[in-house]
Amino acid sequence: EPEVTQTPSHQVTQMGQEVILRCVPISNHLYFYWYRQILGQKVEFLVSFYNNEISEKSEIFDDQFSVERPDGSNFTLKIRSTKLEDSAMYFCASSPIQGAQKEQYFGPGTRLTVT
Amino acid sequence: AQSVAQPEDQVNVAEGNPLTVKCTYSVSGNPYLFWYVQYPNRGLQFLLKYITGDNLVKGSYGFEAEFNKSQTSFHLKKPSALVSDSALYFCAVSARGNTPLVFGKGTRLSVIA
Repeated sequence: EPEVTQTPSHQVTQMGQEVILRCVPISNHLYFYWYRQILGQKVEFLVSFYNNEISEKSEIFDDQFSVERPDGSNFTLKIRSTKLEDSAMYFCASSPIQGAQKEQYFGPGTRLTVT
Repeated sequence: AQSVAQPEDQVNVAEGNPLTVKCTYSVSGNPYLFWYVQYPNRGLQFLLKYITGDNLVKGSYGFEAEFNKSQTSFHLKKPSALVSDSALYFCAVSARGNTPLVFGKGTRLSVIA
C-alpha cells in the first residue's frame, strides 16, 4: 500500500539555523499538508498546498516558514531561522483529487529538536 | 471556526470488553469527521470517516463510530477490545472537502490483559 514518507526521522538543530523537512506524498495525490504536534499537545495545521501554491495557512505559518514542491515527488517545509518553540513533531499529509472529502494520509513524522 | 473536544485524556478497558472513546465537535454546516490512531513513534493512521449517509460508520481493525447530529458527537467504539488497540486516538473535523483537519487533543486508550 502506498505511504507518505518523511526524512529525516529526527533532526537536531541549533536556534537560528535553517532546517528543511522533506516529504514524499503518495504519487497520485494532489493536496499536500504540513501539521505539527508539540509534545503533549494536539496536532495543529500549518499549511496546505495545491496546484503549486499555498491554498491555506494557519497563524503559526509565519514568514519563517515556507513550502515548496521542487520536483514531481518531494514536498518540503523550510524553517528559515529556528526557535526553541519550533521543537515539535512535524507531519506531512496528502490526499487525492478534489471532490468528495478524502481522508488525509499522514507520514511517520520528523521530530525536530531545536537547542 | 471548527473545534473538537475529546473529554477523556485516558481510557482504560479490559481486554474483551467494549470500548468507547468520546468526541464532540463544533462546525458550521455539515461536518466531515475522522478518527485517526497513533502508535508510538508512528504517524497518524486513518481509521474511519463520516461524510454523509448512514450514521454508523465502520472502519479499520473492527472499529466503528456513530454520528449523532443532535448531540454533535462522533464517538469511536469497538465491541471487543484487544491489547494491541492500546494507542493514542484522535478525532478530527473539517468543514468541507480537502480542507485542513482540526484535531482534538487525543485520548490515550489502554487495554489491559
